[in-house]
Amino acid sequence: RKEVEQDPGPFNVPEGATVAFNCTYSNSASQSFFWYRQDCRKEPKLLMSVYSSGNEDGRFTAQLNRASQYISLLIRDSKLSDSATYLCVVNSRGADGLTFGKGTHLIIQP
Amino acid sequence: EAGVVQSPRYKIIEKKQPVAFWCNPISGHNTLYWYLQNLGQGPELLIRYENEEAVDDSQLPKDRFSAERLKGVDSTLKIQPAELGDSAVYLCASSLDGPGGHYNEQFFGPGTRLTVL
Repeated sequence: RKEVEQDPGPFNVPEGATVAFNCTYSNSASQSFFWYRQDCRKEPKLLMSVYSSGNEDGRFTAQLNRASQYISLLIRDSKLSDSATYLCVVNSRGADGLTFGKGTHLIIQP
Repeated sequence: EAGVVQSPRYKIIEKKQPVAFWCNPISGHNTLYWYLQNLGQGPELLIRYENEEAVDDSQLPKDRFSAERLKGVDSTLKIQPAELGDSAVYLCASSLDGPGGHYNEQFFGPGTRLTVL
């Protein structure tokens, strides 16, 4: 099982719709979780951290399920500007270190 | 506040030539990362520094890649000799991390796009 797995997509979603995608991780000792956003030919930028209790930032909601070892990202009322690649990042001390998923490509269509 | 600075932004070299990349992290950030990113893939960690100490270099191909972070600030990543498969974007990132395994936000530089012919 790969350390961090994401569905690469692309997810083609109409503007205004709600879209959700998950990221599974293999190391049960993982401690820190993040979602990063990467636009085409740009560097990744932090979208949001993922806390055990879940967290929300405007139209974005992130959740952590430790029992099933996945994190999720929900985008409500999607905008054209949400089109990007969303990278899941799982951090853990020790040999596994820092791991990015391959990213999920999201395309919001007018 | 200035972000992470990388140079050069683009580099084209012939195989077997050496190449070096430079990174200046955000002032005060103790952790510095070098990543490699291929098209359609997520960043892959090459090496992580905590101050001047390389604490994770398990993914660094040490036969041809080397890195240093003198004085715990700027860092250079070198490839010698470069191979065709080294063509990728090399990203540098920095963060201010606390003790006990708590990781904070990583700030990325714009990357160096390397093409090996």
